[in-house]
Amino acid sequence: ELKVEQNPLFLSMQEGKNYTIYCNYSTTSDRLYWYRQDPGKSLESLFVLLSNGAVKQEGRLMASLDTKARLSTLHITAAVHDLSATYFCAVFLVSKLTFGTGTRLQVTL
Amino acid sequence: DAGVIQSPRHEVTEMGQEVTLRCKPISGHNSLFWYRQTMMRGLELLIYFNNNVPIDDSGMPEDRFSAKMPNASFSTLKIQPSEPRDSAVYFCASSLAVWQGAASYGYTFGSGTRLTVV
Repeated sequence: ELKVEQNPLFLSMQEGKNYTIYCNYSTTSDRLYWYRQDPGKSLESLFVLLSNGAVKQEGRLMASLDTKARLSTLHITAAVHDLSATYFCAVFLVSKLTFGTGTRLQVTL
Repeated sequence: DAGVIQSPRHEVTEMGQEVTLRCKPISGHNSLFWYRQTMMRGLELLIYFNNNVPIDDSGMPEDRFSAKMPNASFSTLKIQPSEPRDSAVYFCASSLAVWQGAASYGYTFGSGTRLTVV
């Protein structure tokens, strides 16, 4: 059974700081997705990573995938308050997405 | 495109009552997924359909839950009888099939239905 784990589960960081969220998964897959969820809202697609070594960047967020290590990272550069949300990674395997536990990010002044 | 449309947005019902959640996928998408989100268990896949056919319902918690997709533009998730532990947010998502490039786009989620069973 595929297990997808994220850490940390909760992250409080100051504006302007950098940090990385980690996503580990237990079964080989070369497709991984990152989603953002604001409180009480739906999930918004951020990145699609489709191969080993894939790197995608959008604004202050950068995601990467290492399929050999079964690891994806979401790096936050110079955080701003607007990035406060819960971030999920999701692994695609056997035609379905299995989500990680989520990382709740709180950016403070 | 209006995206994935779910109804109702909120549902409060008494234990033992039947609850029906509805979903309209994005036009042209032929894969549909029902997820449940709770604080304790996170996001769980309940069931998914390809071309209106249920493919994997291993996530459906028990016989009280059933899902149908009578056509490409409509799906329902029914709980009968409902119990307090069913309280959660239920999301519907749709995507293209893999051969249509689903991998490049992932899933599009609806706004969810917040279900409270008292």
